[in-house]
Amino acid sequence: EVQLVESGGGLVQPGGSLRLSCVASGFSISSYGMNWVRQAPGKGLEWISYISSSGSIIHYADSVKGRLTVSRDNAKNSLYLQMKTLRVEDTAVYYCARREDVWGNGTTVIVSS
Amino acid sequence: DIQMTQSPSSLSASVGDRVTITCQASQDIKKYLNWFQLKPGKAPKLLIYDASNLETGVPSRFSGSGSATHFTFTISSLQPEDVATYYCQQYDYIPKTFGPGTKVDI
Repeated sequence: EVQLVESGGGLVQPGGSLRLSCVASGFSISSYGMNWVRQAPGKGLEWISYISSSGSIIHYADSVKGRLTVSRDNAKNSLYLQMKTLRVEDTAVYYCARREDVWGNGTTVIVSS
Repeated sequence: DIQMTQSPSSLSASVGDRVTITCQASQDIKKYLNWFQLKPGKAPKLLIYDASNLETGVPSRFSGSGSATHFTFTISSLQPEDVATYYCQQYDYIPKTFGPGTKVDI
């Protein structure tokens, strides 16, 4: 079964850091560009990052540029999102997605003092 | 950035009704539009890609049309399991912006 499972979310204080992981099964991520998308409480979906299959092309939304870093380990079939200098407004469910066709169930990040 | 608007923001319809949602892009995005279904606590589900192509396994009551700046999403016969919020997303430009969503109730 083709599946993505996110982990690493939790409660963190403003200014803190967190690293999200996304592990794929049922397919090899090495053939696909991957996205991170988030949904803040009561809000809509927000695309935040894309990384190409080789990792050579990376894009970020302006709202996270300079604070979030996407990376991948194709050998581990995994995608990562390193989050630093977190803000209250980064509170959201974070989803990884294979292009846009396969999504995980998300991991929740709460930034609060 | 490309701005995506959707209308209506919410709607209530009866089982069996035809439901239509529109999505407008602030500039030409050719055919590069997705439609997603989002239910609370579940992963977003891709329904339509390239504006009008039905994703594998998605019921044929869902359809999409349009190009350039104006797009339409239709549920031909609304079912109880279709209660959800629906989002359009353009992927012609970075950032890949989503519309604000349309909440569909019965």
